[in-house]
Amino acid sequence: EVVLTQSPATLSLSPGERATLSCRASQSVSRDLAWYQQRPGQAPRLLIYEASNRATDIPARFSGSGSGTDFTLTISSLEPEDLAVYYCQQRNSWPITFGRGTRLEIK
Amino acid sequence: DVQLLESGGDLVQPGGSLRLSCAASGFTFSSHVMNWVRQAPGKGLEWVSTLSESGANSYYADSVKGRFTISRDNPKNTLYLQMSSLRAEDTALYYCTRSFCTSRKCYFDYWGQGTLATVSS
Repeated sequence: EVVLTQSPATLSLSPGERATLSCRASQSVSRDLAWYQQRPGQAPRLLIYEASNRATDIPARFSGSGSGTDFTLTISSLEPEDLAVYYCQQRNSWPITFGRGTRLEIK
Repeated sequence: DVQLLESGGDLVQPGGSLRLSCAASGFTFSSHVMNWVRQAPGKGLEWVSTLSESGANSYYADSVKGRFTISRDNPKNTLYLQMSSLRAEDTALYYCTRSFCTSRKCYFDYWGQGTLATVSS
C-alpha cells in the first residue's frame, strides 16, 4: 500500500500570503496524484488531478507540481475562503490511499 | 447539475447490517465509475470501494473486504453499499463519489454530502 505523508500538519498564514503544502509518497506514483479541498462542514472538492491539472472551475491561484514521490500544492495568494483541510490522494495502484491532510488556517 | 444524494445511514448494533444508497442525477450514470469514500468523525478520508460502469469490476479496501458489497442499478441511476458484520470502527460519514477518468487514471470529481452510519450498542 502506498503511504502518503503530508506536511505540515497545520499551516497558519495571512490573506495574500503564499501557501506551500507537501505530499510525499512511500513509493513512486508517477504523476497519478490528486489534491482535494475540504472546507469546514462540507464534502471534499477535487482541486488538482494528474499532479498539475486544475479541475473544472478551480481558481488559477491553485497549482500543483511534482512527480514520482514528491508533490506540492501551492496557493499563490491566500483568500479567506481557502480555510480548509487539504488532502492528497494517489491513483497509481490499489488500494487508493489518501494522506492525513494539512489543515490551513487563515490568520 | 450533477447531484449525488446518499441515504440509508442509521444507528446499528455491532454485527448488524446496513444498506446505503446513492441517487445520481444530472449526468449519464451508466458511463461513470462510481465509488464510496468514508470519513470517521474528526478524521481523514478513507477510500472504501469502487465499481466499474457496468458493475462487472469491483474493488475494496482491505478493511471492508468480505463484509461490504458495492453494486449499482444503472436504469435507476443508483449506487449501493451493502454493509454487514459492522464494527465500531465502521462508524463514519459515507460519501458517494463519481469518477472522472483521464487516459491514465480516474479521480473523484463529484461528491455527495454523505450519510452517517453509526455502529454502537
